[in-house]
Amino acid sequence: DAKTTQPTSMDCAEGRAANLPCNHSTISGNEYVYWYRQIHSQGPQYIIHGLKNNETNEMASLIITEDRKSSTLILPHATLRDTAVYYCIVRVNNAGNMLTFGGGTRLMVKP
Amino acid sequence: NAGVTQTPKFRVLKTGQSMTLLCAQDMNHEYMYWYRQDPGMGLRLIHYSVGEGTTAKGEVPDGYNVSRLKKQNFLLGLESAAPSQTSVYFCASSPPLGGYEQYFGPGTRLTVT
Repeated sequence: DAKTTQPTSMDCAEGRAANLPCNHSTISGNEYVYWYRQIHSQGPQYIIHGLKNNETNEMASLIITEDRKSSTLILPHATLRDTAVYYCIVRVNNAGNMLTFGGGTRLMVKP
Repeated sequence: NAGVTQTPKFRVLKTGQSMTLLCAQDMNHEYMYWYRQDPGMGLRLIHYSVGEGTTAKGEVPDGYNVSRLKKQNFLLGLESAAPSQTSVYFCASSPPLGGYEQYFGPGTRLTVT
């Protein structure tokens, strides 16, 4: 799986959009970009994933650059409950493939 | 749906004792996983299963055994606990199609003294 690079921490004001970047310059053509988050002391939570097109669901939007070397997770209206560590993971999309969690970005949403 | 549940939530063991952690899912997922998370670190895969009756080793399998006798359950066993196995254990499951996104349980916090 390709290696990812994320900022260690970010702050965001409550109600504003949170934009979390991720670099994955060595991504292969068959690797997907996944985002998970982990709220303190809880299990990781799946957010969204994509291959090359931008994706949106009820939680977030995922913007992948045309060369696929980087992506941005967007939480459109951050709340205090979005304070968590966010993990960007690049992996081949198959059943038995483990998730490899790196350091992630610690997002602090402030009132 | 309860999703993924784990039993117990907390446990303290003495070195050399054994125990079994139970993971159950009610989403009819084919694939299940056991991870451990140490303080300040990411998750590491211990064992996983791609179907009833099958198991495979992950990144850090030593000291653990698993069984998947029923599709909805995945058991993690520690035969002789060691202090190095003090950790938070997470179980996850994923569907057989689509994005293979993994859904996690709430975790079991294990301390070995």
